[in-house]
Amino acid sequence: AQTVTQSQPEMSVQEAETVTLSCTYDTSESDYYLFWYKQPPSRQMILVIRQEAYKQQNATENRFSVNFQKAAKSFSLKISDSQLGDAAMYFCAYKAAGTASKLTFGTGTRLQVTL
Amino acid sequence: GAGVSQSPRYKVAKRGQDVALRCDPISGHVSLFWYQQALGQGPEFLTYFQNEAQLDKSGLPSDRFFAERPEGSVSTLKIQRTQQEDSAVYLCASSSGQGEETQYFGPGTRLLVL
Repeated sequence: AQTVTQSQPEMSVQEAETVTLSCTYDTSESDYYLFWYKQPPSRQMILVIRQEAYKQQNATENRFSVNFQKAAKSFSLKISDSQLGDAAMYFCAYKAAGTASKLTFGTGTRLQVTL
Repeated sequence: GAGVSQSPRYKVAKRGQDVALRCDPISGHVSLFWYQQALGQGPEFLTYFQNEAQLDKSGLPSDRFFAERPEGSVSTLKIQRTQQEDSAVYLCASSSGQGEETQYFGPGTRLLVL
């Protein structure tokens, strides 16, 4: 069975600084997808970024980028120029390829952004 | 609609009552998923629909949980004889199913069983 581990229950970053959230996963599949979702107090799960395992290039979306290390099964999220609106729970998720496949989530990292 | 919607947003039930939670996926989305999120945890898979067919219900915790999607659009998750351990946020997600791997989530229904 696939597992996703987020070892940082809480992180804090100052506004305008950079923070990295860690995620490791375990799978025997060769074709899969990795996601970072953001969940603010409103509970709406919002997609931040996704990575296809077959792509060597790390995904980027504006201030958000990932460091995908396939051999190490590591998938960290870097947030640059942190903003107050980035404060939320961040979940790392794994999904085997195929539209019928479920998401497997980690336990989340709560990110605080301070002035 | 523009996104996935769920209703009600909050539900308080007395232990033993039946509840029904509704999910309206993004228009045209073939795939629909239900997840359960306990307090302080990540969401966990409950069940999956492709159109009206329930193809995976391996995550349903007991036979008190039942889901349907009779016309391949709106889905309802029903919990019979609710128990306190059913208290959680229930999230619905949909994807287009046409090679699209990303699931888009609704705002969730918070269920509190007293």
